[in-house]
Amino acid sequence: EDKVVQSPLSLVVHEGDTVTLNCSYEVTNFRSLLWYKQEKKAPTFLFMLTSSGIEKKSGRLSSILDKKELFSILNITATQTGDSAIYLCAVMDSSYKLIFGSGTRLLVRP
Amino acid sequence: AAGVIQSPRHLIKEKRETATLKCYPIPRHDTVYWYQQGPGQDPQFLISFYEKMQSDKGSIPDRFSAQQFSDYHSELNMSSLELGDSALYFCASSHRAGGTGGWNEQFFGPGTRLTVL
Repeated sequence: EDKVVQSPLSLVVHEGDTVTLNCSYEVTNFRSLLWYKQEKKAPTFLFMLTSSGIEKKSGRLSSILDKKELFSILNITATQTGDSAIYLCAVMDSSYKLIFGSGTRLLVRP
Repeated sequence: AAGVIQSPRHLIKEKRETATLKCYPIPRHDTVYWYQQGPGQDPQFLISFYEKMQSDKGSIPDRFSAQQFSDYHSELNMSSLELGDSALYFCASSHRAGGTGGWNEQFFGPGTRLTVL
């Protein structure tokens, strides 16, 4: 059965800290891996990764995929309270549907 | 920029009633996906449509049906509602032949929160 596992499940840091969120997967027909940020509403798209070793960057957020070891990381540097959210990792399979992990709940304290 | 539109945003129903959720994809997107997110859970894929044809089916109960219309909007019909159907229902859309490098990013709507009493 396809699965996506995220760790840690929750994380509490102080503003300015750097965090690394992990996502490992076992998906039979992998197409791509996506990261979303979910606050009290719909998941907001962050990154889509399809190739190994190519870092994607957007401001203080960056992500990379390792298709050999079947994992991805999402880094957030200089965290701010507005980064507090649930970060969802999802793998898109060959039928284009997303298989989600359970998410990492990040709380950034002032 | 236009986003995915879902209606209604909130819906309260009694057990055994029916509900219809609507989704309007981003303009020029040809694919619609429905996901169900229970309290404290991750989104679970229900069903998807590409060019008005069912594309894939996930853990969707037989009591639910869905379709995509000629204008690409989609409706999720839910009958004989049960307490366990209470959840946030997300619709996402993508352009299957497009996206960055053709890899089909999915963009989510704000969701419909269904409460079954």
